[in-house]
Amino acid sequence: GQNIDQPTEMTATEGAIVQINCTYQTSGFNGLFWYQQHAGEAPTFLSYNVLDGLEEKGRFSSFLSRSKGYSYLLLKELQMKDSASYLCAPLNQAGTALIFGKGTTLSVSS
Amino acid sequence: SQTIHQWPATLVQPVGSPLSLECTVEGTSNPNLYWYRQAAGRGLQLLFYSVGIGQISSEVPQNLSASRPQDRQFILSSKKLLLSDSGFYLCAWSSIRSSYEQYFGPGTRLTVT
Repeated sequence: GQNIDQPTEMTATEGAIVQINCTYQTSGFNGLFWYQQHAGEAPTFLSYNVLDGLEEKGRFSSFLSRSKGYSYLLLKELQMKDSASYLCAPLNQAGTALIFGKGTTLSVSS
Repeated sequence: SQTIHQWPATLVQPVGSPLSLECTVEGTSNPNLYWYRQAAGRGLQLLFYSVGIGQISSEVPQNLSASRPQDRQFILSSKKLLLSDSGFYLCAWSSIRSSYEQYFGPGTRLTVT
């Protein structure tokens, strides 16, 4: 079967660092995406990992371990505008479908 | 550049009425197209995806259907809406040329009353 597991909610303060973990079990794998979704809006792309290791992109980094079925999104120097849901989404082997978890709602306070 | 359009932005429909949501993509050819639904407080649920004209895969049984009459047009329909069809409907596209990153449209918020 297919299963994505992320924490439901996290809180942090401005300027802090937060790590959002994701574990997945999928039938076939062709990479993993992280998306950000603000309330009432469509998801927007943050990062893509297809090989093991860390991908850094400004304040955001994403890590993948394919053997462990594990990924995390690291957000540094948190800002209030980072309050949103963060969606972990493995891509199936055919590249035809992203499998979304329920997402992690991050609340950043001052 | 590529853009994706969805309409309408919001819709209020009575139970038992029909539904038609349209999605069009510009600036790319032969995209994969997707319909997702997000119910309040829930994750994104993949409803349908299409890899070409007339090719539709359904992910969950429901009273919805999808059609792809043209390469860059994807339509979500229902003959009779249920209360449980309320939610945020998102269309998305992807292609191998963009490493299958999915780009989402602005969404349609549907309330069935």
